[in-house]
Amino acid sequence: QVQLVQSGAEVKKPGASVRVSCKASGYIFSHYVIHWVRQAPGQRLEWMGWINAGDGTTLYSQNLQGRVSVTRDTSANTAYMELSSLRSEDTAIYYCARGYGPGSYCFPWGQGTLVTVSS
Amino acid sequence: EIVLTQSPATLSLSPGERATLSCRASQNVGNNYLAWYQQKPGQSPGLLIYGASSRATGIPDRFSGSGSGTDFTLTISRLEPEDFAVYYCQQYGEPPWTFGQGTKVEIK
Repeated sequence: QVQLVQSGAEVKKPGASVRVSCKASGYIFSHYVIHWVRQAPGQRLEWMGWINAGDGTTLYSQNLQGRVSVTRDTSANTAYMELSSLRSEDTAIYYCARGYGPGSYCFPWGQGTLVTVSS
Repeated sequence: EIVLTQSPATLSLSPGERATLSCRASQNVGNNYLAWYQQKPGQSPGLLIYGASSRATGIPDRFSGSGSGTDFTLTISRLEPEDFAVYYCQQYGEPPWTFGQGTKVEIK
């Protein structure tokens, strides 16, 4: 079955960077996109960006002001999300999710990765 | 960006009752690209409805979506114990994709 498995929880200091991985299985990785969405405590879900796993095209939320980068390794069926210049407000659960194309809903979702930013 | 406003924030109902959740967009959602997700504590969101009214695979027919343009509704015809959760709408018609703030359906 289609499954997305994310890397484990991270604790980072302000100003540092974090990289979260998302390993896909059960489908042809390069035929879909991978979205990244985060959920801060008490906040709504926030879309961060996506990558076309086939050609590597990306699109990011302008709200993250160039701090986010999404890449993929097709040989490993894995997508990566890197967030730099971390602040306490970046403390959140980060999810990857599969999409059928740029304008697509998210299904299924990974299990989530908790990133805690604290001095 | 398109802002989605969900109402009510909390819905207190009993099992067997009907739940009606609203999602209003600040501007037209292109192609009615509106999805609904269910999230239970400690879990990832799960897709219920896409394209405003199409049920995802395996979703019971007590869940239905309707609406177009800027006004959308998720209806749960008869609440089952497992339906008490938080529900989010999402528009994927134009970037940035955005989500509503959620409606919590709790047991009365």
